[in-house]
Amino acid sequence: KAGVTQTPRYLIKTRGQQVTLSCSPISGHRSVSWYQQTPGQGLQFLFEYFSETQRNKGNFPGRFSGRQFSNSRSEMNVSTLELGDSALYLCASSLSVGETGGYTFGSGTRLTVV
Amino acid sequence: GIQVEQSPPDLILQEGANSTLRCNFSDSVNNLQWFHQNPWGQLINLFYIPSGTKQNGRLSATTVATERYSLLYISSSQTTDSGVYFCAVGVSGSRLTFGEGTQLTVNP
Repeated sequence: KAGVTQTPRYLIKTRGQQVTLSCSPISGHRSVSWYQQTPGQGLQFLFEYFSETQRNKGNFPGRFSGRQFSNSRSEMNVSTLELGDSALYLCASSLSVGETGGYTFGSGTRLTVV
Repeated sequence: GIQVEQSPPDLILQEGANSTLRCNFSDSVNNLQWFHQNPWGQLINLFYIPSGTKQNGRLSATTVATERYSLLYISSSQTTDSGVYFCAVGVSGSRLTFGEGTQLTVNP
């Protein structure tokens, strides 16, 4: 079966712009979680979506938002980009909410803010 | 919040050697997992092991929940084992807290 697909793989944006990242989960998986990975802060949980509803949110400013569509695909948006938002953004899908043991991660989107 | 410490931060091995990676956590957890991040950035789920011992080929893991630590054993290491190994814990719900990782390099 196809894995978790994240697009785009690489992205370069300018400070102040906004960006939208996409995550298509494994077929049949209905939960999508997002994580940010930076050299300084490591891997940090952003949020989780299930049945088009945000179920859990990490400690990130309101500039970070997301949504989930009826086909379980998820997007995350970062507005007013800052240099510190440069990171690898990873999404993980699972069958249901909270099932981290069944996580399958995508290969990530590497965002560079200049 | 919960703290997760991994050791060693870096490990260099010759092919064929064995290694042990350690993960200490600061509070009781419902969930503990080990991941391997490959050179392309993808996190591969190795073990879901909140307690007990599991083995998968050359890899095995043990979690002693009462003493708040977990160990990942890699035997007969291969160059393809290189990458970063992360321990992650969950207290409740779906949020995982990751350690800083162990960077493993296996030389031929």
